[in-house]
Amino acid sequence: DGGITQSPKYLFRKEGQNVTLSCEQNLNHDAMYWYRQDPGQGLRLIYYSQIVNDFQKGDIAEGYSVSREKKESFPLTVTSAQKNPTAFYLCASSIGPGSEAFFGQGTRLTVV
Amino acid sequence: ELKVEQNPLFLSMQEGKNYTIYCNYSTTSDRLYWYRQDPGKSLESLFVLLSNGAVKQEGRLMASLDTKARLSTLHITAAVHDLSATYFCAVDLRDSNYQLIWGAGTKLIIKP
Repeated sequence: DGGITQSPKYLFRKEGQNVTLSCEQNLNHDAMYWYRQDPGQGLRLIYYSQIVNDFQKGDIAEGYSVSREKKESFPLTVTSAQKNPTAFYLCASSIGPGSEAFFGQGTRLTVV
Repeated sequence: ELKVEQNPLFLSMQEGKNYTIYCNYSTTSDRLYWYRQDPGKSLESLFVLLSNGAVKQEGRLMASLDTKARLSTLHITAAVHDLSATYFCAVDLRDSNYQLIWGAGTKLIIKP
């Protein structure tokens, strides 16, 4: 079945640690996105990529990094520079920019 | 400014009633999407609206688009408890570098 897979579902991070969230899609989509959602809030764009080996900062990129070495994969690293990383992280993909986005199941990150 | 506004942000209603959620956007758009999010879950695509006057219906939900008024509506007919969720609209606004701009979401609670 085609879809977007995020892992892990739950992730705990210690202060000062970097962690990487995985996002893989087999929909053959060119565009991929990372969003952050805080409790009771909407979506905020962290990074997006329209094509392999290229990505752009979104509205809240500080403290995060990404890579897009393969079309299928768009991992997000939450660095120690991100001071308040506890949130629900959603990965999405679309055929192209501005097209209907399809979402993974999300990763809930908690700082302990 | 590229902006998408939803209202109301919170709606509590009785089963069997009808209601409408509104999504206004600030500049010309070619495409508009409605999504549903259940608590603690990811986003699920509901409707894709691609042209002025477009109307889509699925069960008790009907979405429409008026590009001249820069307005989309999501109408709920004879609400049932299972429709309780948060509903987001997302718009592909011109001049947004083809990124989707998201509304803040409407939290809908339907009481038995």
